[in-house]
Amino acid sequence: GESVGLHLPTLSVQEGDNSIINCAYSNSASDYFIWYKQESGKGPQFIIDIRSNMDKRQGQRVTVLLNKTVKHLSLQIAATQPGDSAVYFCAESRNFGTGTSLTVIP
Amino acid sequence: GAGVSQSPSNKVTEKGKDVELRCDPISGHTALYWYRQSLGQGLEFLIYFQGNSAPDKSGLPSDRFSAERTGGSVSTLTIQRTQQEDSAVYLCASSSSSGSYSGNTIYFGEGSWLTVV
Repeated sequence: GESVGLHLPTLSVQEGDNSIINCAYSNSASDYFIWYKQESGKGPQFIIDIRSNMDKRQGQRVTVLLNKTVKHLSLQIAATQPGDSAVYFCAESRNFGTGTSLTVIP
Repeated sequence: GAGVSQSPSNKVTEKGKDVELRCDPISGHTALYWYRQSLGQGLEFLIYFQGNSAPDKSGLPSDRFSAERTGGSVSTLTIQRTQQEDSAVYLCASSSSSGSYSGNTIYFGEGSWLTVV
């Protein structure tokens, strides 16, 4: 079946550095992707989305890049802060990737 | 309510007992989802309801698991004869499925933490 998956399960970054979280998808017909952030003990929350007619979308300190040629998207977090420590999921419709656990080192 | 509400927030049950988990989606949302998340793991899709359509039950792990959605709103996930491997967080979510792209955004509840002892 179709799947959405992540390359790296864990990521540690120094506070203030930029973070990049990657995601691969297999359904070439996918036209809408969402990144979610899940803090400890809470449900996932929407961060940012991107449609397939775009290759980049920016939010506040976050940027999502979409490469349809290789079916890959990434989430970039600028100037990572301790509050960014969480698990990040990419999703296409109701299909969620494995998740990447981001730890910010003070 | 303003968000997806789930109850109970925590449940400890003995192996072999049945449990019911409740979900109250965001008002007006036609789509409702149940996911399971084991400690330190990703989200495992269980079941999806959309309006009056037949639910997508493809993610239910066994026939001990069932769910219903009454009146197109509140949903109940039932686990019969619970096993220790059923211990997990059960997350409910909803979306508007308005037909626009933003209608695909899924809003999650805080989850029901189930421990089977």
